[in-house]
Amino acid sequence: SQTIHQWPATLVQPVGSPLSLECTVEGTSNPNLYWYRQAAGRGLQLLFYSVGIGQISSEVPQNLSASRPQDRQFILSSKKLLLSDSGFYLCAWRGPGQGGEQYFGPGTRLTVT
Amino acid sequence: LAKTTQPISMDSYEGQEVNITCSHNNIATNDYITWYQQFPSQGPRFIIQGYKTKVTNEVASLFIPADRKSSTLSLPRVSLSDTAVYYCLVGVNTGGFKTIFGAGTRLFVKA
Repeated sequence: SQTIHQWPATLVQPVGSPLSLECTVEGTSNPNLYWYRQAAGRGLQLLFYSVGIGQISSEVPQNLSASRPQDRQFILSSKKLLLSDSGFYLCAWRGPGQGGEQYFGPGTRLTVT
Repeated sequence: LAKTTQPISMDSYEGQEVNITCSHNNIATNDYITWYQQFPSQGPRFIIQGYKTKVTNEVASLFIPADRKSSTLSLPRVSLSDTAVYYCLVGVNTGGFKTIFGAGTRLFVKA
């Protein structure tokens, strides 16, 4: 069966510090991968998606970047965090069904202070 | 990408059937309709997906009229643990499959 991991689970970082969040998927190959951010009490905002190694599409201009160095690894990064980067970060992979259902990881709660 | 519209919130009582309707007037021919459930501090969980007519699984039913411009998620006999946010999405599994999650419907089940 497929599983998706994210770490760390929680993170508190000062403004201006770098960020690296990691997501890995097991039990599937060549998955489509996604990074979302969710502000408190809000819906999910799509940040990046990837259809393969080294292929990243950005949805929102911002100080974040994403990379996919391996087939089942997706990394979200920032060189300098802003207060507005605080939120709940979710990684997801897309299932094989025709409708493209997505399966989400446990998330990372980031607080920028 | 088709935009979806859902009620912001709904209240119900334990044991009742809950129906949440989603409007998607601009749904494309190849789009599927997918519903997710999200609890606080967790990622959304896939509930059900359909293309037309009716789909049922162990958790919910999904009703889709012939024009596909709306869909209704039906939760039979809800319990307190069904209190969550429910999202309706439309899209198709091609290419990068961009997705747009709206604000969802906040369901509150009372005892």
